[in-house]
Amino acid sequence: GNSVTQMEGPVTLSEEAFLTINCTYTATGYPSLFWYVQYPGEGLQLLLKATKADDKGSNKGFEATYRKETTSFHLEKGSVQVSDSAVYFCALSDRGAGGFKTIFGAGTRLFVKA
Amino acid sequence: DAGVTQSPTHLIKTRGQQVTLRCSPKSGHDTVSWYQQALGQGPQFIFQYYEEEERQRGNFPDRFSGHQFPNYSSELNVNALLLGDSALYLCASDGYQETQYFGPGTRLLVL
Repeated sequence: GNSVTQMEGPVTLSEEAFLTINCTYTATGYPSLFWYVQYPGEGLQLLLKATKADDKGSNKGFEATYRKETTSFHLEKGSVQVSDSAVYFCALSDRGAGGFKTIFGAGTRLFVKA
Repeated sequence: DAGVTQSPTHLIKTRGQQVTLRCSPKSGHDTVSWYQQALGQGPQFIFQYYEEEERQRGNFPDRFSGHQFPNYSSELNVNALLLGDSALYLCASDGYQETQYFGPGTRLLVL
């Protein structure tokens, strides 16, 4: 079945450091790809998405490119802030039975130190 | 524009009890999905409702059941609660380009 694998955390960075969180996927067809963020004690917020190969999703300084040849969707940010501390989930849309559901990776916790 | 809302925010139950969680989808959305997120893990798909019918189901036992109302809101029911049912339960509604929008969740603790 379809699945998502993302790098294990926690990832600890200093403020203004460069961030990369690796994500690879296994899927039949061409799913949409997503990054969601979960702040402590909260639900999931959509961070960015890409719907087809070579699309780049971006939001709040974060970006990720849909790479079909490497089945990857790595999350990057050039300069992280303390407020970026959260858990980040890579995900894909999985179609079936007339609808779709979202399949998530295990999540990567990011700590940013001042 | 109201997003996805869920109630209650927190709940404490004991083993063997039954619980009902509620969700209202984002305005204009007609499909609701439920997910279970255990501590330190990614959300796992429970089931999905569309036109008041269960359309898809994940690998969860029959103790987990649901309902969708004509106004598209939904309930998740869990019977015979186990300690392992302690988790954050997330509701999502379907938007454009296969994007799901999530509510803040209901945190269930089973003692």
